[in-house]
Parts: sequence; structure tokens; C-alpha cells
Amino acid sequence: SQELEQSPQSLIVQEGKNLTINCTSSKTLYGLYWYKQKYGEGLIFLMMLQKGGEEKSHEKITAKLDEKKQQSSLHITASQPSHAGIYLCGADMDSNYQLIWGAGTKLIIKP
Amino acid sequence: GAVVSQHPSWVICKSGTSVKIECRSLDFQATTMFWYRQFPKQSLMLMATSNEGSKATYEQGVEKDKFLINHASLTLSTLTVTSAHPEDSSFYICSARADSLNTEAFFGQGTRLTVV
Repeated sequence: SQELEQSPQSLIVQEGKNLTINCTSSKTLYGLYWYKQKYGEGLIFLMMLQKGGEEKSHEKITAKLDEKKQQSSLHITASQPSHAGIYLCGADMDSNYQLIWGAGTKLIIKP
Repeated sequence: GAVVSQHPSWVICKSGTSVKIECRSLDFQATTMFWYRQFPKQSLMLMATSNEGSKATYEQGVEKDKFLINHASLTLSTLTVTSAHPEDSSFYICSARADSLNTEAFFGQGTRLTVV
């Protein structure tokens, strides 16, 4: 079973609507990272969360890490076509500097 | 922000030949570099972790003799796909990280390898 569960696997959202992507672990995370990717291109770093209860925002994207540091959500407000792509969460599960990945969420924005 | 340069961005090679992919950290020292492989519509799969000056640590199921990784300096790691076959066709991405927890990994733009 995957150590980092990401959901949903895919998402089709009407332009202008809000959406949320979740990333959950059964273990306490050292750090949680959100990336965006368009297939065939590199990853774009969005945000890093370290502390329980931490919340960060970048433009219309907000990411939170729960108090237990086991779950993170990525929320997009008033989605736009530019938000389309694959969102990946990654996490430090231990002190090994090795990122563990979620399965990714494919986001499609309908005009 | 920090930049990781991956080269080439795409390559086509014949079956049986070898192809080398370079990953360079341009403005920081990357003690650790990671190589990933990605299949269409799937997440990244870690292939190996390399630390400067030492042998790479390969993930289970990754053939170390087929995917040769060299991390000769703090700014350069290379992945060589030896005796490539069509099933090696994939998207390969490297990432580099300073030797510290809770620092984000910086990714190259990826290399699309097609073996014909």
C-alpha cells in the first residue's frame, strides 16, 4: 500500500469553481511539499509545509498541513485554465532526505 | 530560486545503444541527487539516490548495471541508460537537494527518452 495517499486521482472542474486535493499519510511527516506538473515537463515547486497547523498561500492556491502533520490539503479558489495539470504531493517520511510521492491528481479545467 | 539543468530535454536512440542524461545544479551544491522515472499518467518513481563521491543507492527492481549513475561532483550527476530497449522509453527527471531536511528538491525539466 502506498505510504502517501493522494486523492482524488483526477478532477474535472468548471472554470471559476473551487477545488481541493488531499494528501494523507499514516505516519507523521517531517515535511510536505506540493508540486505541479504538466506531463512531459519538469515539476514546479508550489509550497512546503513543515509545522502542524501551517497554512501557506500563493496566488489562488492555499495549502494546509494538519496539526498531526499527517494530512495536507491543497485548495484552489476560482480555478482558471492555467491551473490545469498534475498536482503531486511529496513528503519527507524520515530523515533520509528521500521524498515519497503521492499518486498525483490530474486536474482538468472546463471553460 | 535554485536552478537544476537537465540535458538533453529529449533524445531518440536506437535499440542497443547507450544514452547519457546530465543533471546539473547551477547555483547550489547538491549533496544528494535523485533520479526518477515517470510513465504516462503516473506519479514519479524513484530509481536511485546518489550522494557526491559515493555509489548510488538503487531502489528495488532497478537494474544498477543498466542504469548507471555517477555523481562525481557537487553540481553534476549523470544517468546512463545502457543497451537501451524500447521498454526503457520514458520520461526521466532528476532532482537535487542541499543536504538538509525540509528544503525543497529542485527539479530538472526532464528528459523524454524514446528508444526505437
